[in-house]
Amino acid sequence: GAVVSQHPSWVICKSGTSVKIECRSLDFQATTMFWYRQFPKQSLMLMATSNEGSKATYEQGVEKDKFLINHASLTLSTLTVTSAHPEDSSFYICSARDHGRETQYFGPGTRLLVL
Amino acid sequence: GEDVEQSLFLSVREGDSSVINCTYTDSSSTYLYWYKQEPGAGLQLLTYIFSNMDMKQDQRLTVLLNKKDKHLSLRIADTQTGDSAIYFCAESISGTASKLTFGTGTRLQVTL
Repeated sequence: GAVVSQHPSWVICKSGTSVKIECRSLDFQATTMFWYRQFPKQSLMLMATSNEGSKATYEQGVEKDKFLINHASLTLSTLTVTSAHPEDSSFYICSARDHGRETQYFGPGTRLLVL
Repeated sequence: GEDVEQSLFLSVREGDSSVINCTYTDSSSTYLYWYKQEPGAGLQLLTYIFSNMDMKQDQRLTVLLNKKDKHLSLRIADTQTGDSAIYFCAESISGTASKLTFGTGTRLQVTL
């Protein structure tokens, strides 16, 4: 089946620093990628939809200047958490939509801890 | 807006059947999905069903959809300890957009 990878799998950073998370589709081209955030024991909440070659579409309440998304190629999208704070600590999961198929393939997630 | 609800916890004995339920509010849902999440991991797609279907079976998994009541269920036959995980139902209202709204998740515990 389709494989989506994320890097890093976990990261610890100091408050005020920026963290970049990569999401790659390994064996298919993804014109659309999605970024989700999951707090402990909660469901996934969609943060933004990333389309290759265009600006990301952010969900209501998600600060686009804080969560920078770049989808520069058909296999890579990045999420940068700028000036991270402890409340940004969460599990960030990306998914990629195989072009023409009605499903998403999820990455293994990146656990971010901001001290 | 969309709202997807699930019971939080289900405990079953190994070998029994598990039934995980989900209700949704958006009648324009086109696709409904079941995902499995093991501890500290991403989501694994188990199965999905189109809104014009009533049932879909895939090996030990059976999905039932009652569109009138907006109720979706996942039955796992012969539940194994490896099935212990959190199960999320999800819906999308547009096949092309594929924006997913997830349920609250049901933690399945399989006991010996």
